[in-house]
Amino acid sequence: DVKVTQSSRYLVKRTGEKVFLECVQDMDHENMFWYRQDPGLGLRLIYFSYDVKMKEKGDIPEGYSVSREKKERFSLILESASTNQTSMYLCASSPQGALGNTIYFGEGSWLTVV
Amino acid sequence: RKEVEQDPGPFNVPEGATVAFNCTYSNSASQSFFWYRQDCRKEPKLLMSVYSSGNEDGRFTAQLNRASQYISLLIRDSKLSDSATYLCVVNPSMGAGTALIFGKGTTLSVSS
Repeated sequence: DVKVTQSSRYLVKRTGEKVFLECVQDMDHENMFWYRQDPGLGLRLIYFSYDVKMKEKGDIPEGYSVSREKKERFSLILESASTNQTSMYLCASSPQGALGNTIYFGEGSWLTVV
Repeated sequence: RKEVEQDPGPFNVPEGATVAFNCTYSNSASQSFFWYRQDCRKEPKLLMSVYSSGNEDGRFTAQLNRASQYISLLIRDSKLSDSATYLCVVNPSMGAGTALIFGKGTTLSVSS
């Protein structure tokens, strides 16, 4: 079974802190994604990567950065957390050329910024 | 202009009812289409792919109308366990470097 692991499930951080959300997948997938999900707004794409060291901005990249130094790991970084970044963050991966029926999500990271 | 639009609901139906969800997409060049299911506080999971010819999986039937840019999901004989949010998902292209586009979801609540 494909496994996408988000190591931090529940975090509480203070405004201004630097926050790292880590995601690891074990299926050698080329594509990895970070979404955030908020009530009434659905899933919104923050960043994605289709290869090591490659990154593309999604719909809402402001306030975030990413790192993909190894194929299996895709990190989301909040340089200076703000309360409006309180949300559920979902990492996902898919193989190259995937049509959409082979995208797998992690269980989510619930971040609260106080 | 929203790329994938769904009626958010909620749809509240009794067990055994038939319920239909609709979704429209704006990019006529979109390549492939899916329905995902998301349970409360869980990650989305693939429910089924959607083809122009229509496809059925047990009580679930999905249909695509490319001319109208419209996708539907029909659930027959609703069960309590069908209660969830259903996400309409569109893949805009075949190339590398593209990401799926998710609708905001339609919430279904099935009651006894």
